[in-house]
Amino acid sequence: GEDVEQSLFLSVREGDSSVINCTYTDSSSTYLYWYKQEPGAGLQLLTYIFSNMDMKQDQRLTVLLNKKDKHLSLRIADTQTGDSAIYFCAESIQGYQKVTFGTGTKLQVIP
Amino acid sequence: GAVVSQHPSRVICKSGTSVKIECRSLDFQATTMFWYRQFPKQSLMLMATSNEGSKATYEQGVEKDKFLINHASLTLSTLTVTSAHPEDSSFYICSARAGLIGQSNEKLFFGSGTQLSVL
Repeated sequence: GEDVEQSLFLSVREGDSSVINCTYTDSSSTYLYWYKQEPGAGLQLLTYIFSNMDMKQDQRLTVLLNKKDKHLSLRIADTQTGDSAIYFCAESIQGYQKVTFGTGTKLQVIP
Repeated sequence: GAVVSQHPSRVICKSGTSVKIECRSLDFQATTMFWYRQFPKQSLMLMATSNEGSKATYEQGVEKDKFLINHASLTLSTLTVTSAHPEDSSFYICSARAGLIGQSNEKLFFGSGTQLSVL
């Protein structure tokens, strides 16, 4: 079955880069996503990558996908205090019929 | 970007009462909406998939008679927690799919969630 794992906590200093890692088990994943959840709010889609890509960059965000190792990472450049949130990676197969989420990584940005 | 409105954001109710949560897609039509439950410090767990005009598909272990889902229009899905008990206290989040399945314009947008507390 599907299983998505993340480390629970990451602390970085403002201005540094943050790297949040995620591993998944299902090799037939089609899409892989990163979502941001601020306290008491829903999830905001940050970015997503197709499984046939190995990198995607969007402003301060860089997503790297190692399909062989089933490893996904999100790099946030020049991390700001507003980036403090919980970040979820997720995978889906055959479109959006079912999305499996990781446990979330709480990012704490220290001023 | 597309917006999904979910309300109420917070509800406190007595044990035994029913609570209805609404999820609306504001600027797009969502043929499919999803309902998730999130326990503290845990990830989202998919409860059910709601397709407009048809019965919802529930995940294993989710009681369909307890969690009633209605998706009567392309922009509205509701989740009713019937005869709520303290163990139903949780954060419930809906999401709506925009675009075509498997196409590059396919995206999933989330509501802001509803914190349910059952006393």
